[in-house]
Amino acid sequence: AQSVAQPEDQVNVAEGNPLTVKCTYSVSGNPYLFWYVQYPNRGLQFLLKYITGDNLVKGSYGFEAEFNKSQTSFHLKKPSALVSDSALYFCAVSPWYSSASKIIFGSGTRLSIRP
Amino acid sequence: GAGVSQTPSNKVTEKGKYVELRCDPISGHTALYWYRQSLGQGPEFLIYFQGTGAADDSGLPNDRFFAVRPEGSVSTLKIQRTERGDSAVYLCASSAEPGQGTFFGQGTRLTVV
Repeated sequence: AQSVAQPEDQVNVAEGNPLTVKCTYSVSGNPYLFWYVQYPNRGLQFLLKYITGDNLVKGSYGFEAEFNKSQTSFHLKKPSALVSDSALYFCAVSPWYSSASKIIFGSGTRLSIRP
Repeated sequence: GAGVSQTPSNKVTEKGKYVELRCDPISGHTALYWYRQSLGQGPEFLIYFQGTGAADDSGLPNDRFFAVRPEGSVSTLKIQRTERGDSAVYLCASSAEPGQGTFFGQGTRLTVV
């Protein structure tokens, strides 16, 4: 069965420090991988995706994610956190055979950036 | 419109009633998805349309749930005989093609009392 694990319910980082939000996945074949962000009272927003190619993917708002096939991970990173990055972050995976039509989300990680 | 629009934004209904939730996708997007998000959880896939047809409805929890997209644009999610456990935020999303950026609406918060 396909699944996504976000092992941390909450991540706390001081502004200006680097941040990492962890994600591991389990899926057959080569997956499509995504990160989404959800701000309070707003819809889910697409941050970035990995389908093929370079393992380091750059996305919106200065975020990037690194695909590691051997560790089945797709951790979200940012070199310098901003208070405005505080939100709920979801990692998601889509099995290759679904052509990314069926996205399976993790349970989410709440990122809190303190001034 | 500029984004995915969902109506109503909030719906309170009594247990056993029928409800319809509407989604207007981004113009021209052929792929449309419905998800359900319960409190403290990630969105859960319900159904995916490619054009007018339901390409994958494996996420619908039971036969009380049904969705249509008769003209390949607007979609309606229909829930019969609502139960308190159906309370959640129902999210609609669309994309130009599967695998491209998927854009979500703000959701309909359904509360069954």
